[in-house]
Amino acid sequence: QKEVEQNSGPLSVPEGAIASLNCTYSDRGSQSFFWYRQYSGKSPELIMSIYSNGDKEDGRFTAQLNKASQYVSLLIRDSQPSDSATYLCAVNTNAGKSTFGDGTTLTVKP
Amino acid sequence: NAGVTQTPKFQVLKTGQSMTLQCAQDMNHNSMYWYRQDPGMGLRLIYYSASEGTTDKGEVPNGYNVSRLNKREFSLRLESAAPSQTSVYFCASSEVEAHYGYTFGSGTRLTVV
Repeated sequence: QKEVEQNSGPLSVPEGAIASLNCTYSDRGSQSFFWYRQYSGKSPELIMSIYSNGDKEDGRFTAQLNKASQYVSLLIRDSQPSDSATYLCAVNTNAGKSTFGDGTTLTVKP
Repeated sequence: NAGVTQTPKFQVLKTGQSMTLQCAQDMNHNSMYWYRQDPGMGLRLIYYSASEGTTDKGEVPNGYNVSRLNKREFSLRLESAAPSQTSVYFCASSEVEAHYGYTFGSGTRLTVV
């Protein structure tokens, strides 16, 4: 079992829709959870971090964490073509480093 | 306000050649990391440095060495390049052992022929 698993994708949604990206992790000791956005040919960019159970909202983005189910998700409301990218889920344990999922590629169609 | 600077951006090596990838950050971060990214895959950790003076192996350290030269700089060396090391290499830094997430450099695209 991989330490961090994401929907294999690709995911395609129409402009204005809600995009839902999911991630599960195996280490129950994980403490910090992140979502990065990576445009094609570019480096990853941190867009959301979450540390406790529940929802965290930042503009059109909402991160959700459920430690009991070992599940993290990212919702993108009112999706725009500019949101088309690969989204990477990352999880930290006590070891002070992040383990990444393979990413989910999102395409928002006008 | 450069953030994390990586050099070079592109490099082609012949099998058996050596090279050093350079990384510098100007954010006064304590922790620095080297990842590689292969097509269709996530990021895999090669080496990291939790603080100045320390380095540790990550998931895929074989064939690589690192040096934390000072708080700002963290270099990655390939002693004898192999085609399996063809990849995109990202350096990242973090304020406190990745707790607040990473800032990434722009990457080095390395091809070994």
